[in-house]
Amino acid sequence: AQSVTQPDIHITVSEGASLELRCNYSYGATPYLFWYVQSPGQGLQLLLKYFSGDTLVQGIKGFEAEFKRSQSSFNLRKPSVHWSDAAEYFCAVSASRGSARQLTFGSGTQLTVLP
Amino acid sequence: NAGVMQNPRHLVRRRGQEARLRCSPMKGHSHVYWYRQLPEEGLKFMVYLQKENIIDESGMPKERFSAEFPKEGPSILRIQQVVRGDSAAYFCASSQGISGDEQYFGPGTRLTVT
Repeated sequence: AQSVTQPDIHITVSEGASLELRCNYSYGATPYLFWYVQSPGQGLQLLLKYFSGDTLVQGIKGFEAEFKRSQSSFNLRKPSVHWSDAAEYFCAVSASRGSARQLTFGSGTQLTVLP
Repeated sequence: NAGVMQNPRHLVRRRGQEARLRCSPMKGHSHVYWYRQLPEEGLKFMVYLQKENIIDESGMPKERFSAEFPKEGPSILRIQQVVRGDSAAYFCASSQGISGDEQYFGPGTRLTVT
Protein backbone atom coordinates (compact mmCIF):
# COMPACT_ATOMS: atom_id res chain seq x y z
CA ALA A 1 0.00 0.00 0.00
CA GLN A 2 1.14 3.50 -0.71
CA SER A 3 1.98 6.04 1.97
CA VAL A 4 3.05 9.68 2.15
CA THR A 5 5.23 11.42 4.72
CA GLN A 6 5.43 15.15 5.20
CA PRO A 7 8.16 15.52 7.83
CA ASP A 8 7.53 19.19 8.58
CA ILE A 9 4.38 19.82 10.58
CA HIS A 10 4.81 23.59 10.62
CA ILE A 11 7.04 25.94 8.61
CA THR A 12 7.42 29.69 9.06
CA VAL A 13 8.96 31.90 6.39
CA SER A 14 9.14 35.63 5.79
CA GLU A 15 7.27 37.16 2.90
CA GLY A 16 9.50 37.22 -0.16
CA ALA A 17 11.65 34.33 1.02
CA SER A 18 11.89 31.06 -0.85
CA LEU A 19 9.96 28.00 0.26
CA GLU A 20 10.43 24.26 0.08
CA LEU A 21 7.95 21.78 1.52
CA ARG A 22 9.09 18.19 1.74
CA CYS A 23 7.17 15.13 0.69
CA ASN A 24 8.33 11.52 0.64
CA TYR A 25 6.23 8.69 -0.68
CA SER A 26 6.28 4.95 -0.53
CA TYR A 27 4.91 3.02 -3.48
CA GLY A 28 6.20 0.04 -5.41
CA ALA A 29 5.47 1.21 -8.94
CA THR A 30 5.39 4.59 -10.66
CA PRO A 31 3.39 6.88 -8.41
CA TYR A 32 1.02 9.62 -9.43
CA LEU A 33 1.71 12.60 -7.17
CA PHE A 34 -0.23 15.68 -6.21
CA TRP A 35 0.09 18.78 -4.07
CA TYR A 36 -3.05 20.38 -2.66
CA VAL A 37 -3.51 23.56 -0.62
CA GLN A 38 -6.19 24.07 2.01
CA SER A 39 -7.09 27.49 3.38
CA PRO A 40 -8.84 27.64 6.77
CA GLY A 41 -12.40 26.39 6.58
CA GLN A 42 -12.07 25.58 2.90
CA GLY A 43 -11.76 22.54 0.72
CA LEU A 44 -8.64 21.47 -1.09
CA GLN A 45 -7.35 23.10 -4.24
CA LEU A 46 -4.98 21.29 -6.58
CA LEU A 47 -1.66 23.11 -7.03
CA LEU A 48 0.00 20.65 -9.39
CA LYS A 49 0.27 17.00 -10.34
CA TYR A 50 2.86 14.62 -11.71
CA PHE A 51 1.93 11.67 -13.87
CA SER A 52 4.96 11.16 -16.11
CA GLY A 53 7.45 12.98 -18.31
CA ASP A 54 9.38 16.01 -17.15
CA THR A 55 10.23 15.59 -13.49
CA LEU A 56 9.92 19.32 -12.82
CA VAL A 57 6.25 20.22 -12.74
CA GLN A 58 4.84 23.73 -12.84
CA GLY A 59 1.63 24.53 -11.03
CA ILE A 60 -0.63 27.41 -10.21
CA LYS A 61 0.25 30.42 -8.05
CA GLY A 62 3.95 30.18 -8.95
CA PHE A 63 4.51 26.77 -7.34
CA GLU A 64 6.62 23.99 -8.77
CA ALA A 65 7.58 20.50 -7.63
CA GLU A 66 10.31 18.09 -8.57
CA PHE A 67 9.88 14.33 -8.71
CA LYS A 68 13.02 12.47 -7.65
CA ARG A 69 12.57 8.75 -7.98
CA SER A 70 15.92 7.92 -6.36
CA GLN A 71 14.90 9.80 -3.22
CA SER A 72 11.19 8.92 -3.35
CA SER A 73 10.49 12.60 -3.01
CA PHE A 74 8.17 15.19 -4.52
CA ASN A 75 9.10 18.47 -2.85
CA LEU A 76 7.10 21.63 -3.43
CA ARG A 77 8.92 24.92 -4.02
CA LYS A 78 8.20 28.56 -4.55
CA PRO A 79 10.93 31.17 -5.13
CA SER A 80 9.17 34.05 -3.37
CA VAL A 81 6.36 33.53 -0.88
CA HIS A 82 3.39 35.89 -0.61
CA TRP A 83 1.35 36.46 2.54
CA SER A 84 -1.63 34.86 0.79
CA ASP A 85 0.27 31.57 0.59
CA ALA A 86 -0.30 30.98 4.31
CA ALA A 87 -2.32 27.77 4.42
CA GLU A 88 -1.96 24.04 4.92
CA TYR A 89 -0.32 22.02 2.19
CA PHE A 90 -0.95 18.36 1.50
CA CYS A 91 1.01 15.97 -0.63
CA ALA A 92 -0.90 12.98 -2.00
CA VAL A 93 -0.22 9.86 -4.03
CA SER A 94 -2.47 7.75 -6.20
CA ALA A 95 -1.91 4.27 -7.50
CA SER A 96 -3.25 5.07 -10.93
CA ARG A 97 -3.10 7.81 -13.51
CA GLY A 98 -6.81 8.33 -13.56
CA SER A 99 -8.68 9.69 -10.64
CA ALA A 100 -10.59 6.46 -10.31
CA ARG A 101 -8.64 5.45 -7.25
CA GLN A 102 -8.32 6.74 -3.76
CA LEU A 103 -5.82 9.43 -2.94
CA THR A 104 -3.49 8.81 0.01
CA PHE A 105 -2.58 12.04 1.77
CA GLY A 106 0.25 13.08 4.00
CA SER A 107 -0.55 14.68 7.32
CA GLY A 108 0.06 18.15 5.99
CA THR A 109 2.44 21.09 6.51
CA GLN A 110 1.08 24.29 7.99
CA LEU A 111 2.74 27.34 6.42
CA THR A 112 2.93 30.64 8.29
CA VAL A 113 4.14 33.72 6.42
CA LEU A 114 5.65 36.59 8.41
CA PRO A 115 5.31 40.15 7.11
CA ASN B 1 -19.80 26.22 -13.55
CA ALA B 2 -20.53 25.56 -9.89
CA GLY B 3 -17.99 23.55 -8.00
CA VAL B 4 -18.58 20.63 -5.69
CA MET B 5 -21.24 21.54 -3.18
CA GLN B 6 -21.60 20.12 0.27
CA ASN B 7 -24.26 20.73 2.87
CA PRO B 8 -24.59 21.42 5.59
CA ARG B 9 -21.25 23.17 6.15
CA HIS B 10 -21.55 22.65 9.89
CA LEU B 11 -23.54 19.96 11.66
CA VAL B 12 -23.94 19.38 15.37
CA ARG B 13 -25.34 16.10 16.61
CA ARG B 14 -25.74 14.56 20.04
CA ARG B 15 -24.34 11.13 20.68
CA GLY B 16 -26.65 8.47 19.33
CA GLN B 17 -28.25 10.65 16.65
CA GLU B 18 -27.89 10.22 12.91
CA ALA B 19 -25.86 12.49 10.66
CA ARG B 20 -26.57 12.90 6.94
CA LEU B 21 -24.01 14.68 4.81
CA ARG B 22 -24.78 15.65 1.24
CA CYS B 23 -22.54 16.16 -1.74
CA SER B 24 -23.48 17.45 -5.17
CA PRO B 25 -20.66 16.81 -7.66
CA MET B 26 -19.57 19.23 -10.32
CA LYS B 27 -21.68 19.29 -13.43
CA GLY B 28 -20.69 16.47 -15.73
CA HIS B 29 -18.95 14.48 -13.00
CA SER B 30 -20.23 11.01 -12.27
CA HIS B 31 -17.60 9.88 -9.76
CA VAL B 32 -17.73 10.84 -6.09
CA TYR B 33 -15.23 10.26 -3.30
CA TRP B 34 -15.63 10.82 0.44
CA TYR B 35 -12.71 11.61 2.73
CA ARG B 36 -12.54 12.25 6.46
CA GLN B 37 -10.12 14.65 8.12
CA LEU B 38 -9.61 14.26 11.83
CA PRO B 39 -8.11 17.19 13.76
CA GLU B 40 -4.41 17.69 13.06
CA GLU B 41 -4.41 14.94 10.44
CA GLY B 42 -4.52 14.59 6.70
CA LEU B 43 -7.48 13.36 4.74
CA LYS B 44 -8.28 9.66 4.83
CA PHE B 45 -10.17 7.98 2.00
CA MET B 46 -13.50 6.49 2.93
CA VAL B 47 -15.47 5.48 -0.16
CA TYR B 48 -15.63 5.88 -3.93
CA LEU B 49 -18.95 5.78 -5.74
CA GLN B 50 -20.33 6.08 -9.21
CA LYS B 51 -23.99 6.57 -9.95
CA GLU B 52 -25.91 3.82 -8.15
CA ASN B 53 -22.73 1.85 -7.43
CA ILE B 54 -20.20 1.63 -4.64
CA ILE B 55 -16.86 1.00 -6.31
CA ASP B 56 -14.46 1.00 -3.37
CA GLU B 57 -15.47 1.22 0.28
CA SER B 58 -12.20 -0.02 1.74
CA GLY B 59 -11.87 3.06 3.94
CA MET B 60 -15.34 2.96 5.45
CA PRO B 61 -15.78 1.85 9.05
CA LYS B 62 -17.60 -1.48 9.09
CA GLU B 63 -20.44 -0.32 11.27
CA ARG B 64 -22.69 2.76 11.38
CA PHE B 65 -21.36 4.32 8.18
CA SER B 66 -22.98 4.04 4.77
CA ALA B 67 -22.87 5.94 1.50
CA GLU B 68 -24.98 6.16 -1.60
CA PHE B 69 -25.03 8.02 -4.89
CA PRO B 70 -28.45 7.62 -6.42
CA LYS B 71 -29.34 8.06 -10.06
CA GLU B 72 -30.91 11.39 -9.21
CA GLY B 73 -29.81 13.72 -6.46
CA PRO B 74 -26.72 14.17 -4.35
CA SER B 75 -24.44 11.61 -2.81
CA ILE B 76 -25.23 10.96 0.86
CA LEU B 77 -22.85 9.90 3.60
CA ARG B 78 -24.84 8.60 6.52
CA ILE B 79 -23.53 8.04 10.01
CA GLN B 80 -25.85 6.27 12.41
CA GLN B 81 -25.64 6.50 16.21
CA VAL B 82 -22.83 9.04 16.12
CA VAL B 83 -20.11 8.99 18.76
CA ARG B 84 -17.66 11.72 19.78
CA GLY B 85 -14.92 10.07 17.71
CA ASP B 86 -16.95 10.81 14.57
CA SER B 87 -16.30 14.53 15.02
CA ALA B 88 -14.29 15.53 11.98
CA ALA B 89 -14.41 17.35 8.68
CA TYR B 90 -15.89 15.27 5.88
CA PHE B 91 -14.88 16.18 2.37
CA CYS B 92 -16.43 15.13 -0.87
CA ALA B 93 -14.59 15.18 -4.18
CA SER B 94 -15.80 14.51 -7.69
CA SER B 95 -14.26 13.72 -11.02
CA GLN B 96 -15.17 12.77 -14.56
CA GLY B 97 -13.45 9.45 -14.02
CA ILE B 98 -11.37 9.58 -17.18
CA SER B 99 -7.66 8.92 -17.29
CA GLY B 100 -5.58 11.84 -16.18
CA ASP B 101 -8.32 13.93 -14.64
CA GLU B 102 -8.24 15.26 -11.12
CA GLN B 103 -10.51 15.18 -8.12
CA TYR B 104 -12.20 18.47 -7.27
CA PHE B 105 -12.96 18.97 -3.60
CA GLY B 106 -15.92 20.54 -1.90
CA PRO B 107 -15.66 22.87 1.12
CA GLY B 108 -16.41 20.08 3.57
CA THR B 109 -18.92 19.43 6.34
CA ARG B 110 -17.65 19.95 9.88
CA LEU B 111 -19.42 17.44 12.13
CA THR B 112 -19.38 18.01 15.85
CA VAL B 113 -20.76 15.36 18.16
CA THR B 114 -21.66 16.57 21.63
